[in-house]
Amino acid sequence: DSGVTQTPKHLITATGQRVTLRCSPRSGDLSVYWYQQSLDQGLQFLIQYYNGEERAKGNILERFSAQQFPDLHSELNLSSLELGDSALYFCASSVAAGGPTDTQYFGPGTRLTVL
Amino acid sequence: GNSVTQMEGPVTLSEEAFLTINCTYTATGYPSLFWYVQYPGEGLQLLLKATKADDKGSNKGFEATYRKETTSFHLEKGSVQVSDSAVYFCALSDAGNNRKLIWGLGTSLAVNP
Repeated sequence: DSGVTQTPKHLITATGQRVTLRCSPRSGDLSVYWYQQSLDQGLQFLIQYYNGEERAKGNILERFSAQQFPDLHSELNLSSLELGDSALYFCASSVAAGGPTDTQYFGPGTRLTVL
Repeated sequence: GNSVTQMEGPVTLSEEAFLTINCTYTATGYPSLFWYVQYPGEGLQLLLKATKADDKGSNKGFEATYRKETTSFHLEKGSVQVSDSAVYFCALSDAGNNRKLIWGLGTSLAVNP
């Protein structure tokens, strides 16, 4: 158990809908990262928040957005869903914003299926 | 840009066989290197890491050495077990401020009794 929690574990929805994925980081961690794992693209970095502020953006679509709240939990919002958005979405947390020894610990993931 | 290349799987071994999974990288600066493992139906777990050249990461019998001269971080284990069956991901941490992880495509390992 990494200490990172994600809810829900599974999500099934229809095209065009909007969903929210939730992540709680390990106690004491200030950074949250979101990754997408799909069969065709592998693991891709989406976005990072550090202590409530957006720190870095990766291959995140404009239909997707995220935020980190004062209690440091984070939510990833996916809207106007398409079939290709079906994937496993991972959240990771780390103590700091980065650095040679800063290690990311992953949650169990949310499996999103868009029908 | 930075990238990670892993040997393609699947890799199938018998129990107690020697394992090598090759990983090479392209990066500017001095990234940190990681191996993560994903067991069936589970999330990603950190297996080992190395933060500078010639560092050796080790955990649960697995080892990998950060080789800057060959830009490699090959994963090895002397004697695999059935319980090692999983997908293994090599990753590097961007040398910039955000330290986002850049991933290889993963190598599936199946160990037969």
